[in-house]
Amino acid sequence: DAMVIQNPRYQVTQFGKPVTLSCSQTLNHNVMYWYQQKSSQAPKLLFHYYDKDFNNEADTPDNFQSRRPNTSFCFLDIRSPGLGDAAMYLCATRTGNQPQHFGDGTRLSIL
Amino acid sequence: KQEVTQIPAALSVPEGENLVLNCSFTDSAIYNLQWFRQDPGKGLTSLLLIQSSQREQTSGRLNASLDKSSGRSTLYIAASQPGDSATYLCAVIWGGGSQGNLIFGKGTKLSVKP
Repeated sequence: DAMVIQNPRYQVTQFGKPVTLSCSQTLNHNVMYWYQQKSSQAPKLLFHYYDKDFNNEADTPDNFQSRRPNTSFCFLDIRSPGLGDAAMYLCATRTGNQPQHFGDGTRLSIL
Repeated sequence: KQEVTQIPAALSVPEGENLVLNCSFTDSAIYNLQWFRQDPGKGLTSLLLIQSSQREQTSGRLNASLDKSSGRSTLYIAASQPGDSATYLCAVIWGGGSQGNLIFGKGTKLSVKP
């Protein structure tokens, strides 16, 4: 049973056209993360929510925004995607000292 | 600043061989350490989590050790199989105790030949 679900698995958008990626969880974890992973690189943390508290990494571009309307859902909004934003985007959840759980990711392509 | 390094970057072994993947981190003040597996085009699957107070964890053919003082962890895979072929990532939770974030290494790409 999938516990962290990301939709869609593959997303194609045009240069500069806003796009939203979604993540949902059935684990009731209080922490949710968004990572960007480019080919052969480590996942790079963009931001995370600790409950409703939003924490942005210092080097996350302003182009990237996030929303968490409730415990189960979290969204990644890219306002004006550039070619350099093509990547795999990973959502993860955690609670306490338990392991992080990852979704299968959304692969974003920019035309 | 915390940096996580994994050596080697890639490893190819024949089926049945025992192998060790290495992970090192620069700041020993970690909350815990986690090993993940990533198959091509997929997300990360958690393999083992070692709390900072623990020395090792085992799951099936996998054994992970942690030496905080020296800033090292190893993932031992016994009797490797072609299905073990994947990229293995090491990550530490650091900075802020349980509220810290995962800092990843770049991974070791493992290929097990039949």
